[in-house]
Amino acid sequence: GESVGLHLPTLSVQEGDNSIINCAYSNSASDYFIWYKQESGKGPQFIIDIRSNMDKRQGQRVTVLLNKTVKHLSLQIAATQPGDSAVYFCAEAGGAGTALIFGKGTTLSVSS
Amino acid sequence: GAGVSQSPSNKVTEKGKDVELRCDPISGHTALYWYRQRLGQGLEFLIYFQGNSAPDKSGLPSDRFSAERTGESVSTLTIQRTQQEDSAVYLCASSPYSGPRPQHFGDGTRLSIL
Repeated sequence: GESVGLHLPTLSVQEGDNSIINCAYSNSASDYFIWYKQESGKGPQFIIDIRSNMDKRQGQRVTVLLNKTVKHLSLQIAATQPGDSAVYFCAEAGGAGTALIFGKGTTLSVSS
Repeated sequence: GAGVSQSPSNKVTEKGKDVELRCDPISGHTALYWYRQRLGQGLEFLIYFQGNSAPDKSGLPSDRFSAERTGESVSTLTIQRTQQEDSAVYLCASSPYSGPRPQHFGDGTRLSIL
């Protein structure tokens, strides 16, 4: 089947560093991509999304990059803070369905 | 509150029992989704409602799983004759309408089957 995967299960950074979390997707028909942050015992929290007609979108301290040529998605977090420590999931949607297809997640640990 | 609410937050039951999980979506959200998250894993889609209809049930793992939605609001996910492999966090999400847009999640029900 088709799925969204992440390159690294864990990422450790120092406070103040920039973090980059990567994601590969396999469904070329997907036209919507989204990043979620999940803290322990909580539901996923929306961070930022991007549609396939864009290659970059910026939010507050976060940037999502989409490379459709190589089917790659990344989340950049500027000036990472301890409160950014969580599991980050990318997800895709598209084609005829509306369900999000999630990858397994990257655990970001920020040390001060 | 204004977010998606799920109850109970935790449920422990014996194998073979039936369980019912509840989701209260954000008011006015017509689209509602159920997902399952096994420990350390990503989310698996179960079922999607648009209003009170379920146009996509493709993720329900077996006929022991069913869901309904009433009044274009509350939804219940029922698991009959629970098995140990049903242990997981069950998450509900809603969005103003279906299609490519953010889904807003509740904090889930952590289900443990003994």
